[in-house]
Amino acid sequence: DGGITQSPKYLFRKEGQNVTLSCEQNLNHDAMYWYRQDPGQGLRLIYYSQIVNDFQKGDIAEGYSVSREKKESFPLTVTSAQKNPTAFYLCASIDIQGWSGYTFGSGTRLTVV
Amino acid sequence: SQELEQSPQSLIVQEGKNLTINCTSSKTLYGLYWYKQKYGEGLIFLMMLQKGGEEKSHEKITAKLDEKKQQSSLHITASQPSHAGIYLCGADSYNNNDMRFGAGTRLTVKP
Repeated sequence: DGGITQSPKYLFRKEGQNVTLSCEQNLNHDAMYWYRQDPGQGLRLIYYSQIVNDFQKGDIAEGYSVSREKKESFPLTVTSAQKNPTAFYLCASIDIQGWSGYTFGSGTRLTVV
Repeated sequence: SQELEQSPQSLIVQEGKNLTINCTSSKTLYGLYWYKQKYGEGLIFLMMLQKGGEEKSHEKITAKLDEKKQQSSLHITASQPSHAGIYLCGADSYNNNDMRFGAGTRLTVKP
């Protein structure tokens, strides 16, 4: 079955460390997205990519970096510059040529210890 | 970017009651999405509205987009405990797939 896989489901990071969250899709979707969700809040857009080797900053890109070397993969690195990284991270994708809606992964919960 | 306001922030209803969640934008909405989220999980797509005055239904959930395309509502009829969760509205900006979300509405359905 097609879908989006995020890994790991839970991630613990020491302060000052960089950590990379994985997002892989086999839906052949063109565009991929990273959102952050804090407790009791909605989702905020971090970065998105509509084509391989290209990506755009969302509303809260500071302290994060991404790459899009393959259509299927859009990893997110949370750098040490991100001052408050503890949150729930969601990856999504969409076929911008047709319309099948945004599909979401099951999320990664990152905790700084 | 699109700024979406959802109301209410939280809602507690007795099983069997109807309820409505609202989503309002200061800008014209292009592609308005409704999602449901269980705590700590991903988002489940409910419905998408694009045209002014459009209305869609699925099982006991109905979503509407007003004629001006600045307000959407999600109505649940005869609520059940399975309807509990966080409901989020999201919208794209004009001619761009860059969905932003409202803050969400947390729904609790008491048996």
